[in-house]
Amino acid sequence: DAKTTQPPSMDCAEGRAANLPCNHSTISGNEYVYWYRQIHSQGPQYIIHGLKNNETNEMASLIITEDRKSSTLILPHATLRDTAVYYCIVRVASYIPTFGRGTSLIVHP
Amino acid sequence: DGGITQSPKYLFRKEGQNVTLSCEQNLNHDAMYWYRQDPGQGLRLIYYSQIVNDFQKGDIAEGYSVSREKKESFPLTVTSAQKNPTAFYLCASSIARDSYEQYFGPGTRLTVT
Repeated sequence: DAKTTQPPSMDCAEGRAANLPCNHSTISGNEYVYWYRQIHSQGPQYIIHGLKNNETNEMASLIITEDRKSSTLILPHATLRDTAVYYCIVRVASYIPTFGRGTSLIVHP
Repeated sequence: DGGITQSPKYLFRKEGQNVTLSCEQNLNHDAMYWYRQDPGQGLRLIYYSQIVNDFQKGDIAEGYSVSREKKESFPLTVTSAQKNPTAFYLCASSIARDSYEQYFGPGTRLTVT
């Protein structure tokens, strides 16, 4: 699996957009970008995934650069309940995901 | 409701004792996984199973054992051979190994003293 680099922590004001970056410069053509989040002392929760195109669902949007070497997870209107650790994972579909340290996002009032 | 259950939420054991962590899912998923998480760290894969009566070692299988006698159940035994067993243990499942989405249980926090 390609390695990913995420900032260890970020903060965001409630109601504003939270933009979480992820670098994956060694990504290969058949590797997908996945995002999960983990609220304190709970199991991780799947958010979104993509290959080349930008993706959007009810939770977030995923923007992947044209060269696929980086991506951004966007929470359009962050709430206090979005405070969590966010994991960016790059993997071939048949591989089991590995979770690094992620980005600790704190949403403040 | 469909989902994954892990019990208990907190577990305390004395050093030298084996302990079994429960993981049950009613999602009809073929694949199940066990991860370990230490404070401030990511998740590390212990064991996974793609189908009943079959399982594979992950990155840190030493000192652990599993069984998969039923599709719904994937218990993890932390043996006395595991040098640092105190951790947060997470069970997950997916429709198949190459599924996009894993579903996680609430976790069991094991403390060994």
